[in-house]
Amino acid sequence: SQQGEEDPQALSIQEGENATMNCSYKTSINNLQWYRQNSGRGLVHLILIRSNEREKHSGRLRVTLDTSKKSSSLLITASRAADTASYFCATDAKNYGQNFVFGPGTRLSVLP
Amino acid sequence: DTGVSQNPRHKITKRGQNVTFRCDPISEHNRLYWYRQTLGQGPEFLTYFQNEAQLEKSRLLSDRFSAERPKGSFSTLEIQRTEQGDSAMYLCASSSEAYQPQHFGDGTRLSIL
Repeated sequence: SQQGEEDPQALSIQEGENATMNCSYKTSINNLQWYRQNSGRGLVHLILIRSNEREKHSGRLRVTLDTSKKSSSLLITASRAADTASYFCATDAKNYGQNFVFGPGTRLSVLP
Repeated sequence: DTGVSQNPRHKITKRGQNVTFRCDPISEHNRLYWYRQTLGQGPEFLTYFQNEAQLEKSRLLSDRFSAERPKGSFSTLEIQRTEQGDSAMYLCASSSEAYQPQHFGDGTRLSIL
């Protein structure tokens, strides 16, 4: 089974609202990353949070990490139509070698 | 930084044919990764290189798949005797070091007729 699982699978909100996506994983990690993917394109790195960090901000993005619960959340504030995309968390679980394991993603739709 | 480039963007072929994809990573990145992504799913790791050395392969990667990075720069992914189940988006990514953010190309979409 996959190391990371995002929740919800799909999310639809109005422009200006906040969007929260969650990621749960199974084993110890070095860091956790969030990526965005627009339809038909490659993934774009958003933010990396290390296992010894609890919260990180980048512009309208806020990521939290709770290693005791093996979970992370991505908050997008004041969403825009351009935020419509799929969002993936990726973990570098120590027993998965030096590659990343991606979850199935959350498909976010921001309605104008 | 010209980004990661993948060619071709689309490939349509008949079942049983061989196909080869190319990835040009960001020039100063020594790590290169190949992923496969099907509709509605996240990228699935296939293999990765550090310079020209192939250091890890997914157990899901059948012997019909082979990847090379002969001079530690561009990489090729070849699929022999393609099957319907090989239809997917094949993504390439590169990074400067282990556990660092990966930069993705826009992928090659493979369709098997």
